[in-house]
Amino acid sequence: DIQMTQSPSSLSASVGDRVTITCQASQDISNYLNWYQQRPGKAPKLLIYDASNLETGVPSRFSGSGSGTDFTFTISSLQPEDIATYYCQQYDNLPPTFGQGTKVEIE
Amino acid sequence: EVQLVESGGGLVKPGGSLRLSCAASGFTFSTYSMNWVRQAPGKGLEWVSSVSSSSSYIYYADSVKGRFTISRDNAKNSLYLQMNSLRAEDTAVYYCARVSIVGATGPGALDMWGQGTMVTVSS
Repeated sequence: DIQMTQSPSSLSASVGDRVTITCQASQDISNYLNWYQQRPGKAPKLLIYDASNLETGVPSRFSGSGSGTDFTFTISSLQPEDIATYYCQQYDNLPPTFGQGTKVEIE
Repeated sequence: EVQLVESGGGLVKPGGSLRLSCAASGFTFSTYSMNWVRQAPGKGLEWVSSVSSSSSYIYYADSVKGRFTISRDNAKNSLYLQMNSLRAEDTAVYYCARVSIVGATGPGALDMWGQGTMVTVSS
């Protein structure tokens, strides 16, 4: 199975800050990488698909980049409603696997 | 309204069985691959199984292979997960989720999720 390693596991930032999360795959997955947001007590929500494509309706402060084994997810200006856990997911190989998650909190 | 609604969760003893259902509405269910994803309490997301639109392609995580069976009824716009020989480690919220691309045969980006149904395996 492909291992997905996210860092950091958690972070605390101020409203308006730029937040960056990284996700590293244990082998080349091209751009078959998605990012999800999961607010407390809610189902996950797709934010970014295929590494860098913004899902319809998702605010433009969210972005993604990378290919191969190294990927980055960025919130350009953190908002209070962005408090959530963020997960990367690869689907290049079966089984699809998720990173362990990054919990984002407001300082 | 476009939505997925899971049902069928509950408390079951180790070794028991449970059947989860996911009712889809507001989109052409028969053209999308569907998945089950679970989340143990306080833990991350784990993919469980997927089924293509016509049920031609079915995949399972090793952790559930031989115990769980995914199926769908396109006439009823419904997805199912039959869970047998349940173990304590199967305790989780189970989500059904849609693959975003029409006609995809395997897992991909999951663009629609249900609210989840809780399965607790305990004596």
